[in-house]
Amino acid sequence: NAGVTQTPKFQVLKTGQSMTLQCAQDMNHEYMSWYRQDPGMGLRLIHYSVGAGITDQGEVPNGYNVSRSTTEDFPLRLLSAAPSQTSVYFCASSYGAVGPDTQYFGPGTRLTVL
Amino acid sequence: AQSVAQPEDQVNVAEGNPLTVKCTYSVSGNPYLFWYVQYPNRGLQFLLKYITGDNLVKGSYGFEAEFNKSQTSFHLKKPSALVSDSALYFCAVRAGGDDKIIFGKGTRLHILP
Repeated sequence: NAGVTQTPKFQVLKTGQSMTLQCAQDMNHEYMSWYRQDPGMGLRLIHYSVGAGITDQGEVPNGYNVSRSTTEDFPLRLLSAAPSQTSVYFCASSYGAVGPDTQYFGPGTRLTVL
Repeated sequence: AQSVAQPEDQVNVAEGNPLTVKCTYSVSGNPYLFWYVQYPNRGLQFLLKYITGDNLVKGSYGFEAEFNKSQTSFHLKKPSALVSDSALYFCAVRAGGDDKIIFGKGTRLHILP
């Protein structure tokens, strides 16, 4: 199993550009989440999904969109990139009988917005 | 809404000494509690969790954590630190009935040779 994969590993954008960060998992996990990691801020939840077709907002959703058309994929879209979105982005998936349990993280995408 | 506090940005411990990394939480209802570790330029790895049962939970690499409901704490501990334990440690919480897992700001652990 590949686990959780994220592409690209690195990306540089100009202010106002849009892009999609890809996340895929091959463990048939129901739950998937996107986090951003910033120095001194820890990991902050952007959006999460409890299954195909169902998404919800986390702590810092503004400026980001998500969709979950399949169990495997959970892309994160930046609509109009801003320097404040410079960060490292992590995707995670998890299983659980009554909600998400242990999370498996991807390797991350380092995004710089100029 | 749930929240997690890691009151120490950095903890320094001499190799061979016991270590503690602190975590307190706030949730409505029963908490699901987790510890993760991030080594330099790496993703996050699961260490241990508390869902229910024994308050002392054992995890990977010799780490353990104690759930204390009255103090709403879930401190990470290890009896004898190794230099290789140096990393960034995150505590996380989920409220029962909720689907969001919220992380703390992280604590950087330095083990001094």
